[in-house]
Amino acid sequence: DTAVSQTPKYLVTQMGNDKSIKCEQNLGHDTMYWYKQDSKKFLKIMFSYNNKELIINETVPNRFSPKSPDKAHLNLHINSLELGDSAVYFCASSHVGYNEQFFGPGTRLTVL
Amino acid sequence: AQTVTQSQPEMSVQEAETVTLSCTYDTSESDYYLFWYKQPPSRQMILVIRQEAYKQQNATENRFSVNFQKAAKSFSLKISDSQLGDAAMYFCAYRNRDDKIIFGKGTRLHILP
Repeated sequence: DTAVSQTPKYLVTQMGNDKSIKCEQNLGHDTMYWYKQDSKKFLKIMFSYNNKELIINETVPNRFSPKSPDKAHLNLHINSLELGDSAVYFCASSHVGYNEQFFGPGTRLTVL
Repeated sequence: AQTVTQSQPEMSVQEAETVTLSCTYDTSESDYYLFWYKQPPSRQMILVIRQEAYKQQNATENRFSVNFQKAAKSFSLKISDSQLGDAAMYFCAYRNRDDKIIFGKGTRLHILP
């Protein structure tokens, strides 16, 4: 059973397009996250949601909009894709507090 | 602001030997958690070990152990009896009370047969 799943695993698209990445967790966690890992492997948090409410919103362009229909899902929608958006995007979940985060398999986004 | 520093971009170790990956962090908080994550070529992020800052005892998980020095703000990972499957990027991470997790830039570990 997959704990944190993301779709798609690979996404290739043209500049200017709008795309979405879906994330689902079946761990019963109350907090979900989106991370961006750049080409140098640097991993940085973008957003976190707790029970469908936005908790953390790092300095991310407003072209990125997270949406949480329920606490098991946190989708990432990206408008007007740019070359610099090419990266691996990870979804993660945990219980709020000091517990470890469980990561999805990542989505490699390539913008041409 | 909290920071996490991994000073070794790459390391190599002979199979069956022991290797230590270093990590230092900067914080003014007293309550926090520290983690080591492993990212193999499959890119899946896998938790290796975690340490609660209030615990003096160093965490261990089979061949993996940490040397946690709270005063020095140091959190190194020791891998004993290195195996080929240990080859990966290793990330040190800090999690604060605001639920924000900060990662170091990673250390790429090569295992030499």
